Amino acid sequence: GDSVTQMEGPVTLSEEAFLTINCTYTATGYPSLFWYVQYPGEGLQLLLKATKADDKGSNKGFEATYRKETTSFHLEKGSVQVSDSAVYFCALSGASGGSYIPTFGRGTSLIVHP
Amino acid sequence: EAGVTQFPSHSVIEKGQTVTLRCDPISGHDNLYWYRRVMGKEIKFLLHFVKESKQDESGMPNNRFLAERTGGTYSTLKVQPAELEDSGVYFCASSQERGRSVTQYFGPGTRLTVL
Repeated sequence: GDSVTQMEGPVTLSEEAFLTINCTYTATGYPSLFWYVQYPGEGLQLLLKATKADDKGSNKGFEATYRKETTSFHLEKGSVQVSDSAVYFCALSGASGGSYIPTFGRGTSLIVHP
Repeated sequence: EAGVTQFPSHSVIEKGQTVTLRCDPISGHDNLYWYRRVMGKEIKFLLHFVKESKQDESGMPNNRFLAERTGGTYSTLKVQPAELEDSGVYFCASSQERGRSVTQYFGPGTRLTVL
């Protein structure tokens, strides 16, 4: 079945450091790929998405490129802030049988120190 | 516009007791989803309503879980009787449409602890 693998956390960085959170997936067909973020005490929010190969999703300084050849969708940000501290979830949907229910990874906790 | 709300935010119960979780979706969203995240693991799909009808309940773990959405507005998820392995965070989400790239809007979750 479809699956998403994320790097384990927590990821601890100093403010203004470069961030990469790795995400790889296993799926048949051509899924859409997503990054969701959960800030403390809040629900998951869609951060960015990409619907086809080589698309780049971007939002709030975060970017991720849909790489079909490496089945990856790594999240990057050039300079993190304390306010970026949250749990980040990689997800896919629309792969097997056209399912619209997202398959999530385990989440990666990011802690940014001043 | 109000987002997806869930009640309660936390619930601590003993094994064998009953708990009912509530989700209020964004107004006008016909699609409502329940998910669960066990500590440190993936967020797993439980079921999907379209209005008051269950569209897909393939993720429901067993018959101790009962979900309803009377009138197609808010939804409840009842666990009866609760077991230790039911502990986790239960998320609700809603969307206006459904599809492979449709955005689902999530609530803050209910953290359930079964002792």
